[in-house]
Amino acid sequence: DTEVTQTPKHLVMGMTNKKSLKCEQHMGHRAMYWYKQKAKKPPELMFVYSYEKLSINESVPSRFSPECPNSSLLNLHLHALQPEDSALYLCASSGAGTGFPYEQYFGPGTRLTVT
Amino acid sequence: KNEVEQSPQNLTAQEGEFITINCSYSVGISALHWLQQHPGGGIVSLFMLSSGKKKHGRLIATINIQEKHSSLHITASHPRDSAVYICARGLGGGADGLTFGKGTHLIIQP
Repeated sequence: DTEVTQTPKHLVMGMTNKKSLKCEQHMGHRAMYWYKQKAKKPPELMFVYSYEKLSINESVPSRFSPECPNSSLLNLHLHALQPEDSALYLCASSGAGTGFPYEQYFGPGTRLTVT
Repeated sequence: KNEVEQSPQNLTAQEGEFITINCSYSVGISALHWLQQHPGGGIVSLFMLSSGKKKHGRLIATINIQEKHSSLHITASHPRDSAVYICARGLGGGADGLTFGKGTHLIIQP
């Protein structure tokens, strides 16, 4: 199984709502990533989890709160978002041993619209 | 200045043509990644390169570490190759996020 799944596919939320994005993989990968992609722009790294611990936070506002409850699951909790946060949110996973680069496997993304 | 520069940004070609997309980067890398993104969002990893050359079907990727430059070639291009091709660098080993170039929007006309 080389698939990364993301739910929901689409999400519309108001600025006062709380919602969560979910990502799952069963490839035994110990690194998981959140990227944000605005229209016609390349993806930008948000967070990296390595062995279920947050290892990189690219200065993301606190209204985005990541969580890695186990090695297969990655959540992104959303609260009090702004319309400019509307984007495609991509999850990816990879191996995580040090000193060696790993190919990343991407999910299909969640298209988020903040109204 | 983006650490990863791609050219061209847009490319339209006829079916069967040989396609070259270029990528240059300004800092050291652990690996250079080539990815494909179709309309709708899904990203597929095509290659991960640390040195030399890799080939998969009609796709060839090369990298010159000294010159900090990589190329993606498509031979006998087909309309189904139409997509955005993105190069991205990994900084270190292990769990390291990618820094993406702006992508090349490729259209292959029948």
